[in-house]
Amino acid sequence: GESVGLHLPTLSVQEGDNSIINCAYSNSASDYFIWYKQESGKGPQFIIDIRSNMDKRQGQRVTVLLNKTVKHLSLQIAATQPGDSAVYFCAETYTGNQFYFGTGTSLTVIP
Amino acid sequence: DAGVTQSPTHLIKTRGQQVTLRCSPKSGHDTVSWYQQALGQGPQFIFQYYEEEERQRGNFPDRFSGHQFPNYSSELNVNALLLGDSALYLCASSRRAEKLFFGSGTQLSVL
Repeated sequence: GESVGLHLPTLSVQEGDNSIINCAYSNSASDYFIWYKQESGKGPQFIIDIRSNMDKRQGQRVTVLLNKTVKHLSLQIAATQPGDSAVYFCAETYTGNQFYFGTGTSLTVIP
Repeated sequence: DAGVTQSPTHLIKTRGQQVTLRCSPKSGHDTVSWYQQALGQGPQFIFQYYEEEERQRGNFPDRFSGHQFPNYSSELNVNALLLGDSALYLCASSRRAEKLFFGSGTQLSVL
């Protein structure tokens, strides 16, 4: 079966610092990846996506890096704020229909 | 512009009962996917509907069925409920194979 894993289940950072959340994926055929943020009691919220023909993509305060050689994905959050505290999931797909999610990383921002 | 809406938000059922969950996709989206999220886990793909047909199915038993209507809204039906079906059920909509946008989910408790 598919597996999408995260290196660290929890991450604590000081407010204002940069955060890096990592994700490993196992299927080399995966060609589309999405990072989601999920707050307690809510559904996953789209953060940023990247296709396999790119190595890096930037959004507002967030950057996603894709290393296809080692099948690794990372999410960088600049100047982390208390509102960034949540569980972050990476999701991959090779069919475009079914997405495979990891178990998530819980980010806590310390004021 | 309304996002993905799901109803009900919470539901309590007993073993053996049947349940129907509803989803209205984001405006302009024609594809609806359903995911099951157990506590502390990432979402797991149940199935996806496009043009009123099930396009892809995950590893879920036939007790899980769905439907998509001409207005793109969708229902998820679960028959013969088991305790293990207790979870957050998420609906996500998209345009074809583009990024998924999730609703807030229906929290199902089976007693």
